Amino acid sequence: QSLLTQPPSVSAAPGQKVTISCSGSSSNIENNYVSWYQRLPGTAPKVLIYDNDKRPSGTPDRFSGSKSGTSATLGITGLQTGDEADYFCGTWDSSLSAVVFGGGTKLTVL
Amino acid sequence: QVQLQESGPGLVKPSETLSLTCTVSGGSISSHYWSWIRQPPGKGLEWIGYMFNSGSTYIKHSLKSRVTISTDTSKNQFSLKLSSVTAADTAVYYCARHTGGDGFRGVYFDYWGQGALVTVSS
Repeated sequence: QSLLTQPPSVSAAPGQKVTISCSGSSSNIENNYVSWYQRLPGTAPKVLIYDNDKRPSGTPDRFSGSKSGTSATLGITGLQTGDEADYFCGTWDSSLSAVVFGGGTKLTVL
Repeated sequence: QVQLQESGPGLVKPSETLSLTCTVSGGSISSHYWSWIRQPPGKGLEWIGYMFNSGSTYIKHSLKSRVTISTDTSKNQFSLKLSSVTAADTAVYYCARHTGGDGFRGVYFDYWGQGALVTVSS
């Protein structure tokens, strides 16, 4: 059971927008920074978002991150078939003194 | 470009020790923090612990009694040993570089290996 809760799956049509939620608590999301990762089939995970809403160089601006209270959200606009992947959120948990992750969300672009 | 590659046996017997090595290229392991992360089948990612400063380590509390992380700076590698394994330790194991600011509040992983599947079975 992951400490951060994500929907197991989301889907949308090409060109549409999708959001993926990540729900936590005051010991993790609310008081620390959230990162988001994309794992394309057969590849290493890649960071998409860090510090809640910052994009590393190379992350398209179709990807955005936000945080409010104990929840964070990854948004993807202009969906492409190449966006089909597993998406994970992660953050530090101050009570556990450990990094914690969500269970992952599988995105299907119909 | 930093690249990481996990290596080690894909099958380990119950009660034995799982050993994996992460080889880093394109960057020195003497700088940055380096972590091990795993994902059991059908479950989420679980962070195991990290190594920094060519030898100092921090292991997640629940695994502390079974985990050792070590380094070989001459080979630019760091390793994971997990003792007394059970079927619950079956997972894809990733090594990753972690970075971020504000202590660990801003921790994130900017480079990952492809992952190595380790199955615990007799």
